[in-house]
Amino acid sequence: EAGVAQSPRYKIIEKRQSVAFWCNPISGHATLYWYQQILGQGPKLLIQFQNNGVVDDSQLPKDRFSAERLKGVDSTLKIQPAKLEDSAVYLCASRFPGLAGYEQFFGPGTRLTVL
Amino acid sequence: GQQVMQIPQYQHVQEGEDFTTYCNSSTTLSNIQWYKQRPGGHPVFLIQLVKSGEVKKQKRLTFQFGEAKKNSSLHITATQTTDVGTYFCAGPNAGGTSYGKLTFGQGTILTVHP
Repeated sequence: EAGVAQSPRYKIIEKRQSVAFWCNPISGHATLYWYQQILGQGPKLLIQFQNNGVVDDSQLPKDRFSAERLKGVDSTLKIQPAKLEDSAVYLCASRFPGLAGYEQFFGPGTRLTVL
Repeated sequence: GQQVMQIPQYQHVQEGEDFTTYCNSSTTLSNIQWYKQRPGGHPVFLIQLVKSGEVKKQKRLTFQFGEAKKNSSLHITATQTTDVGTYFCAGPNAGGTSYGKLTFGQGTILTVHP
């Protein structure tokens, strides 16, 4: 089965510019997550979707970050405007709905560098 | 909020030596998951532990879940160069609306010298 797809794989922008990331989860996975992983740290959840609804966005910096999951499949994460501290890998993960604790499948990530 | 801590942060071993990483949660966990991230890669699920005191083995890897369900460990016997990477534990948030939300530890970076 195809894995979680993300694009682009790498992005370099200057501070105050905007950037968008795209994620296509595994088919049938209703739950989708966006994580931020700063170098040397564990993934930090930014937002969680169940189908096309937001379940948790408590750690999303809403003044600059936004995300949507139209039609409950693909998702985009946007940063506007970017700051230097946004340099990180942005990981998308998906999960089959069901019992709590089912594994999450991660995409390859987008490495963002903000100059 | 919930915190998940791992020690050590780094571990350098010679090939063939054993390796252990420890994970501690600030709250009792319903289950704990372990992930491995190769250098330049993305986290890949290894295992999930659910029961108090549970021990699971995957070839040279042994995973334990503490009796109080607040700590866990991963032990690798006779490390190989293919074991290189960062090992993360992750615990789910209890209840609430964040169904399936995981809090990750900061990871243990394992380096294996041939």
